[in-house]
Amino acid sequence: QQQVKQSPQSLIVQKGGISIINCAYENTAFDYFPWYQQFPGKGPALLIAIRPDVSEKKEGRFTISFNKSAKQFSLHIMDSQPGDSATYFCAASINQGGKLIFGQGTELSVKP
Amino acid sequence: NAGVTQTPKFQVLKTGQSMTLQCAQDMNHNSMYWYRQDPGMGLRLIYYSASEGTTDKGEVPNGYNVSRLNKREFSLRLESAAPSQTSVYFCASSYEKLFFGSGTQLSVL
Repeated sequence: QQQVKQSPQSLIVQKGGISIINCAYENTAFDYFPWYQQFPGKGPALLIAIRPDVSEKKEGRFTISFNKSAKQFSLHIMDSQPGDSATYFCAASINQGGKLIFGQGTELSVKP
Repeated sequence: NAGVTQTPKFQVLKTGQSMTLQCAQDMNHNSMYWYRQDPGMGLRLIYYSASEGTTDKGEVPNGYNVSRLNKREFSLRLESAAPSQTSVYFCASSYEKLFFGSGTQLSVL
């Protein structure tokens, strides 16, 4: 049972465009929703995270939108750059612990 | 300050062989984790240790054992490796957020 479903599996965006990755979760007890960025040969690194008491969080070019009633959240990358090319994972947990449930991942490619 | 260090980086085993993956962190974190990453599956939690002296099963613990040797070190052991355990293994530690090591790529033939 996949508790966090992520789409799309892969995404190609032109430089300067907006990249959008979506996730849906099932467990209403989840209260921490991070996004991780992973480059080839490296471990995932925390990019940005949100709690369900806010509907949006922005850090630089990265924004999380959160819809509690729909049990969905998404990552928006504005002005996408070739250096953003990586695999992105959404995740969810209870009490901001390290016991994360990850989505399947999205491989983003930003073309120059 | 190395963060989370994993060894080895690559390993090839034959079915039935055993091995231990080593992990150490220098951030003085209480909690440590072992995840495996498979294509199309994301990362799945194998075992975790909330503090020195405690370990608990995660989502996919079958075929693995762990040891929390001290606050810094958390090892993962495959007693009898199977092809289904071919994966990339990540160790992580946490304090408010999760910090990952660079991974061990394991192939079981």
